[in-house]
Amino acid sequence: RKEVEQDPGPFNVPEGATVAFNCTYSNSASQSFFWYRQDCRKEPKLLMSVYSSGNEDGRFTAQLNRASQYISLLIRDSKLSDSATYLCVVNRNYGGATNKLIFGTGTLLAVQP
Amino acid sequence: GAVVSQHPSRVICKSGTSVKIECRSLDFQATTMFWYRQFPKQSLMLMATSNEGSKATYEQGVEKDKFLINHASLTLSTLTVTSAHPEDSSFYICSARDPQRYSNQPQHFGDGTRLSIL
Repeated sequence: RKEVEQDPGPFNVPEGATVAFNCTYSNSASQSFFWYRQDCRKEPKLLMSVYSSGNEDGRFTAQLNRASQYISLLIRDSKLSDSATYLCVVNRNYGGATNKLIFGTGTLLAVQP
Repeated sequence: GAVVSQHPSRVICKSGTSVKIECRSLDFQATTMFWYRQFPKQSLMLMATSNEGSKATYEQGVEKDKFLINHASLTLSTLTVTSAHPEDSSFYICSARDPQRYSNQPQHFGDGTRLSIL
């Protein structure tokens, strides 16, 4: 079983739609959580950090449920430019000072005009 | 602007060639850098953690003699793919952690290197 699991999609949605991505992680020792966005053939870019209290950045809302080991991302009023792969990422300490980022396989979003 | 520079962005070479990829932190000192590999339609997989002044730590299944890592300064790590073969063709991405800005950006990523071995 992968440490970070995501529905690979693709999610094909019309412009203006609301779309939700889910992610689960298996290691309860995971310490911090992020959503990254990756465009085709590009490096991943941080979209937002995820907190138990939930956090919102414009049209994007992220939520963490530590008890269920579940992370979500909600995109409202989707734009064509939101089309990308969304990566769920957890950060875990492996002993000493080393923290590692563990990436999910990503969920592909295609926003249609 | 970019805080991690990776070079080259694209490499096409013959089987058996060794390829060196550079990763530089531009405005901070990085005692730790990370090397990832991403195959098509798959996620980023950590290959190794590069430690300034000491040996790299390789993930399980990654051959250290095949993927040589050198982190000789606080701003530069290099990955050398030795005697590359077609199965080494992939997207290689480096990242570095800036302890001063961790809360805003856990790791800064380079632009990646697309390696194609013919």
